[in-house]
Amino acid sequence: ETGVTQSPTHLIKTRGQQVTLRCSSQSGHNTVSWYQQALGQGPQFIFQYYREEENGRGNFPPRFSGLQFPNYSSELNVNALELDDSALYLCASSLGSFFPDTEAFFGQGTRLTVV
Amino acid sequence: AQTVTQSQPEMSVQEAETVTLSCTYDTSESNYYLFWYKQPPSRQMILVIRQEAYKQQNATENRFSVNFQKAAKSFSLKISDSQLGDTAMYFCAFPGLMNNNAGNMLTFGGGTRLMVKP
Repeated sequence: ETGVTQSPTHLIKTRGQQVTLRCSSQSGHNTVSWYQQALGQGPQFIFQYYREEENGRGNFPPRFSGLQFPNYSSELNVNALELDDSALYLCASSLGSFFPDTEAFFGQGTRLTVV
Repeated sequence: AQTVTQSQPEMSVQEAETVTLSCTYDTSESNYYLFWYKQPPSRQMILVIRQEAYKQQNATENRFSVNFQKAAKSFSLKISDSQLGDTAMYFCAFPGLMNNNAGNMLTFGGGTRLMVKP
């Protein structure tokens, strides 16, 4: 089991609402990446935070935003929720933004359902 | 940009037998890694095995091994002596550079659902 924890584990929201998901990184990891995994599909990269700054972004609209705190924990915020935002949201922490020769550790995800 | 394709949505294997999961990818990068991740019902992605592209020798981790064909851009996962606990989704993933080259992001295939039958 990794040291990456996400909260909450499940969440139901109404279309148009806003949601905040949280991720606590593995100790010593300064980089957090967020992924969206729709049902039956592979995860899609949302964005990455490195030392409290957004370091890179995938093809997601601006209503997906994030924060990283001095202890390297992170939040994913989604505004104006749409039905298609229903998915499993995964965070992954790593030591450094260039991680292939180390390992990115994943949390267990937050299952978001938008009704 | 890189792409990762897994052409087998579902597979099944009898306990103790061997199964091979397929993955193809495309990239313009010359030096890279490839990963296989396992996602059990608990949903947490677990790294199963990694391969460095410049290494000709195929990676092995206990019952898991890969067949890496760089020229063909193929990266298959072989599971030997399958166990019930191997039942999970398996994802092939490429840790390519982000568009701004400021770090790496994972590009995943669509996954293969593996069922190990007793």
